[in-house]
Amino acid sequence: KQEVTQIPAALSVPEGENLVLNCSFTDSAIYNLQWFRQDPGKGLTSLLLIQSSQREQTSGRLNASLDKSSGRSTLYIAASQPGDSATYLCAVHSGNTGKLIFGQGTTLQVKP
Amino acid sequence: GAGVSQSPSNKVTEKGKDVELRCDPISGHTALYWYRQSLGQGLEFLIYFQGNSAPDKSGLPSDRFSAERTGGSVSTLTIQRTQQEDSAVYLCASSISPASANTGELFFGEGSRLTVL
Repeated sequence: KQEVTQIPAALSVPEGENLVLNCSFTDSAIYNLQWFRQDPGKGLTSLLLIQSSQREQTSGRLNASLDKSSGRSTLYIAASQPGDSATYLCAVHSGNTGKLIFGQGTTLQVKP
Repeated sequence: GAGVSQSPSNKVTEKGKDVELRCDPISGHTALYWYRQSLGQGLEFLIYFQGNSAPDKSGLPSDRFSAERTGGSVSTLTIQRTQQEDSAVYLCASSISPASANTGELFFGEGSRLTVL
């Protein structure tokens, strides 16, 4: 059974810092991994999708990496801003059922 | 439409009543998913549709929960005889690709917040 873990559960940093959010999964047989952002009371916004054949994806100040063999992904946020404050969720798509399995999320606070 | 649309955005109901939640996916997306997010909890998978069929409904918590999809588009999640533990945000997502292939990106709606008194 696929399990997804995110560490840390919460993180508070001063504005301008570079930071790394971690995601690990127990079954390396995945189709893809997706990082999302969720603001309080809102739905999920897709940030980056990494296919199983890829090692990383970049979008602006965000860079996500994938190491399938070790069951790990990281989300790197460069030059953090207060607007980056949100909960970040990673999810893996494994097996042939189509469902995404989510981690519990990392709640990020960036202080001005 | 431009994004995944869900209605109602908020629903307050009394215990024992039935509720229907609607999801209108992005046009052309063949895959549709329902998730549930309880207060302080992670996202719990409920059911997945490919077209009008549901290959995986393993996450439905009980037989009070059912879902259907018609015309390969709109989906309705029905909860019968609601209980207080059903209170949660119900999120719908859609994806352009079939699940068995290298699946594409999921796009989520804003959710329907259900409160059972």
